Amino acid sequence: GESVGLHLPTLSVQEGDNSIINCAYSNSASDYFIWYKQESGKGPQFIIDIRSNMDKRQGQRVTVLLNKTVKHLSLQIAATQPGDSAVYFCAETPLYNFNKFYFGSGTKLNVKP
Amino acid sequence: SQTIHQWPATLVQPVGSPLSLECTVEGTSNPNLYWYRQAAGRGLQLLFYSVGIGQISSEVPQNLSASRPQDRQFILSSKKLLLSDSGFYLCAWRGGSPLHFGNGTRLTVT
Repeated sequence: GESVGLHLPTLSVQEGDNSIINCAYSNSASDYFIWYKQESGKGPQFIIDIRSNMDKRQGQRVTVLLNKTVKHLSLQIAATQPGDSAVYFCAETPLYNFNKFYFGSGTKLNVKP
Repeated sequence: SQTIHQWPATLVQPVGSPLSLECTVEGTSNPNLYWYRQAAGRGLQLLFYSVGIGQISSEVPQNLSASRPQDRQFILSSKKLLLSDSGFYLCAWRGGSPLHFGNGTRLTVT
């Protein structure tokens, strides 16, 4: 399968600071990208998505940036809160098969009070 | 609104025993349905997906099978479990673009 993410690093931030979580993908045909949040023992929760015809998309306290030139995706969380502590991972899918989402292994975000 | 239900939440089964995990979706029609497995600290591995009743696509040859007897029901099965089948199994549905996941089943094969 395609390579997304690769390992599980940990990011520790202070409550109130901004967080930036990164993801690399390898399939240049990828067309659609999603960020998920997964809390311990639960299923992944959709956060935000972006299509390849966009560079940036904003949600509530979250922003996704897409750099297709270097195949890089990032999730920015503003004013990080303790409830944001979880594993975050990206997923991508190519246009030619929208049923095949490829997932990275994720980044663990620890928010210190 | 749409909801997805998976059960059981946890399951401990002996090697060689059968398996049946069920997933149902409410509030949508003709969804695409998916079974994923997640190993600890790893990404999600697509096992099966279905675009309609009776239509199953298998992504990874293994000891598992899937069935879709009804539009909003997806079942993951095994005739004889292996130790390597242990993991966190997630069902997901898609009507538009993003996948939406259930809360998973933690399977431990002993």
